[in-house]
This record gives sequence, structure tokens and C-alpha cells, in this order.
Amino acid sequence: SQQGEEDPQALSIQEGENATMNCSYKTSINNLQWYRQNSGRGLVHLILIRSNKREKHSGRLRVTLDTSKKSSSLLITASRAADTASYFCATDGSDRGSTLGRLYFGRGTQLTVWP
Amino acid sequence: DAGVIQSPRHEVTEMGQEVTLRCKPISGHDYLFWYRQTMMRGLELLIYFNNNVPIDDSGMPEDRFSAKMPNASFSTLKIQPSEPRDSAVYFCASSFTVTSETQYFGPGTRLLVL
Repeated sequence: SQQGEEDPQALSIQEGENATMNCSYKTSINNLQWYRQNSGRGLVHLILIRSNKREKHSGRLRVTLDTSKKSSSLLITASRAADTASYFCATDGSDRGSTLGRLYFGRGTQLTVWP
Repeated sequence: DAGVIQSPRHEVTEMGQEVTLRCKPISGHDYLFWYRQTMMRGLELLIYFNNNVPIDDSGMPEDRFSAKMPNASFSTLKIQPSEPRDSAVYFCASSFTVTSETQYFGPGTRLLVL
């Protein structure tokens, strides 16, 4: 499968703590994205990192990318109860020209932040 | 700006009935995607269109599923006949670019087939 795989499947932390989620994938990529899904809602794009970058920040989010290991991590600092959601990584699979335009999503990490 | 619009938001039907899900992508977007999400299988891509043309329908589970995009602002996903195993949340998403950039998801249609 070309899908990314997130680790852990579930993460439970207290407010104020940092949350780290990992993603591994199998193919070459142009970029990797992270999405968030609140219960009962659609996915919402959080951040995109291109394959020639190693790190990107956006507010309380920090994404790292290691293309040699085909892995990425999403760090949420100073977590809040409102961060409770599922988080998905998605890759574009650049070496599959026939699938241009699509993304490959993982199964997601369910993050619970307790107040 | 309006995001991706899906209708209906909830659908309850009986096995054997036809179900039609609708999607209006964000204006100007040239890619449209239909996904299905279940606890067991996660998020699955069913089919996607580029400029109204189906590009990859390999994720469509079987002939009971069909999708159309008659114009740039409207797409349908039809299940005929529906079965209980089709129960899931169906998402439509759209994006704007020839590369796989950000996808914008609709709120989803929660389908229950009894």
C-alpha cells in the first residue's frame, strides 16, 4: 500500500503537554501534508511540507520530514482540549504518474487532550 | 467563501434502495474526489475527477457504485442497489492545481442502510 501510516493509533495527554504523532510512508513524494478531523466533521488541512524541507512551523504546530527514512512527525505544543481530534498524514506519491492529483491518507492518530 | 457543499448530510434508507449523494466543489477547483470512511477500513478514495473527467475509479467497490460530474460545479455518487455494508460517511473533496496540493473536504454524508 502507498498509504502513510500514523503512529501511535491513539494518544491521550493532559492540557499543556506536547503531542507528537509520527507518519511513515513508502514511496517518493513531492510533499507531505497533515490533516485534522474533528468528530463528525470533514478533514481540514493543517500544514504542508515539501520534500526538500526538513522542518516547518505554523503556530503551535511543528512538522519534520526525513525523506531518507520516509517518515514525518507532527508536534503540537502546549496542547488544549480543543486539539482533541484525529490527525492524518497524506502523501502525494510522486513516482506514480498515473495517480497524479490524488493523495494517500493514513489511518490516523486519535488524540485526546484532557482538561 | 462557501466551502465544499454536500447533500444530504444524513441519509437513512432500506437495503435495495437507490441512494444519490451530491457534491458542489469550491468554485474554480479542477479536482474532485469522493471518499468513504469507516472504522474498519479508514478513509478510502473511491474515484476522482480532473476537469470533470474521471481519472481513477479503481477504488469504486463494485458496479453498484457510479459517479458522474456533468459540469465543474456538480458531482453525484450513486449506489444502486444499496446494501447494509455501504453504511459509512461519504466525503467529497476538491483541490486546485495539477499537483497534489491541499484538498478541501465537505462535511460528509452519513449513510445508514438498514
